[in-house]
Amino acid sequence: DIQMTQSPASLSASLEEIVTITCQPSQDIGNYLSWYQQKPGKSPQLLIHSATSLADGVPSRFSGSRSGTQYSLKINRLQVEDTGIYYCLQGYSAYTFGAGTKLELK
Amino acid sequence: EVQLVESGGGLVQPGRSLKLSCLASGFTFSNYGMNWIRQAPGKGLEWVASISSSSSYIYYADTVKGRFTISRDNAKNTLYLQMTSLRSEDTALYYCARKHASVMDAWGQGASVTVSS
Repeated sequence: DIQMTQSPASLSASLEEIVTITCQPSQDIGNYLSWYQQKPGKSPQLLIHSATSLADGVPSRFSGSRSGTQYSLKINRLQVEDTGIYYCLQGYSAYTFGAGTKLELK
Repeated sequence: EVQLVESGGGLVQPGRSLKLSCLASGFTFSNYGMNWIRQAPGKGLEWVASISSSSSYIYYADTVKGRFTISRDNAKNTLYLQMTSLRSEDTALYYCARKHASVMDAWGQGASVTVSS
């Protein structure tokens, strides 16, 4: 089974700051990596698919990248509404979610 | 508008069974694979099961294999999850999600399942 190591587990950042969350799979997953945002009491929402493609309706301050076997979600100019928990998901072999990153405002 | 509405959750005793449903609307249900994902209280997301558009391919997480059965009725636009031999660790909010490529691009609001005596 593929394991996903997501970091950091929690993050406190200021408005307008740049935030980066990373996921490291235990084996090659190609670009079968997506990112989700979950706000309290709500279901997760797709942000990024295929490692780097922005989902429909998602603000352009969100971006995804891949460097070797590490995948990153970057939020430029953090906004109040970006607080929540972020998860990565590999869909290369079955599915595995990362443990999540709780993002709060400083 | 794509909508997924789960139902059938509730309180159930350990060892008993429960069946969840997910009614889909706003898209051609028979064209999409579907997933069940769960989230234990205060915990992260866990993929549970997947089914292809025509039910030809079905996969389960090891934690539920042999106890849970995913199925669908394309004529009724409905996805199901039959859960048997329930354990306390199955207590969670169960989401259905539409599968597009290897991405879960639409989610329901979730159905709560509590396994307790």
